[in-house]
Amino acid sequence: GAGVSQSPRYKVTKRGQDVALRCDPISGHVSLYWYRQALGQGPEFLTYFNYEAQQDKSGLPNDRFSAERPEGSISTLTIQRTEQRDSAMYRCASSLRRHEQFFGPGTRLTVL
Amino acid sequence: AQSVTQPDIHITVSEGASLELRCNYSYGATPYLFWYVQSPGQGLQLLLKYFSGDTLVQGIKGFEAEFKRSQSSFNLRKPSVHWSDAAEYFCAVGYTGNQFYFGTGTSLTVIP
Repeated sequence: GAGVSQSPRYKVTKRGQDVALRCDPISGHVSLYWYRQALGQGPEFLTYFNYEAQQDKSGLPNDRFSAERPEGSISTLTIQRTEQRDSAMYRCASSLRRHEQFFGPGTRLTVL
Repeated sequence: AQSVTQPDIHITVSEGASLELRCNYSYGATPYLFWYVQSPGQGLQLLLKYFSGDTLVQGIKGFEAEFKRSQSSFNLRKPSVHWSDAAEYFCAVGYTGNQFYFGTGTSLTVIP
């Protein structure tokens, strides 16, 4: 596609449920990044992939968060046993060249 | 630790007036520097970037930014603001890894 797409755009879930957030990067982009953005804050790095390999997951807050990119294209960020503090905008970005990231519209997650 | 500071949480300017948004970073080496704009319901759009060379960089929508090594700053400027520039602006820095570090953002209001 023309840009990075994310789905769903909005997700409301109950505490304790699992959620899966999807990112479809720009075609041909090697690297894919996940960020979390709390209200009134800038995006905070979670993890990134080169092709299908997860290169850095140091930003994942705890083991309830995981991400995969099995075929080096679409990626899924999964949050297990969601908590209210997980409520945030989750942003995905992709890049072809190092240090030039293109962002998707984000998924707004609300945990009740 | 690396950090990015945007000291102005919110700025209001009149349409047609000039604009300067401040950004400071802390790091020993010269980072890669970016400005992104976020409009409501939209993803982060890259305005401009600095990697090396000329310290005054031109971006889209009439924006420019100047890298000042001595001040560890990368301030964003526009000579004449348009009503459509109202949005949230984020400064970001990238280092030798692939992580971006974002500031907390500056919200711009444009009054007629």
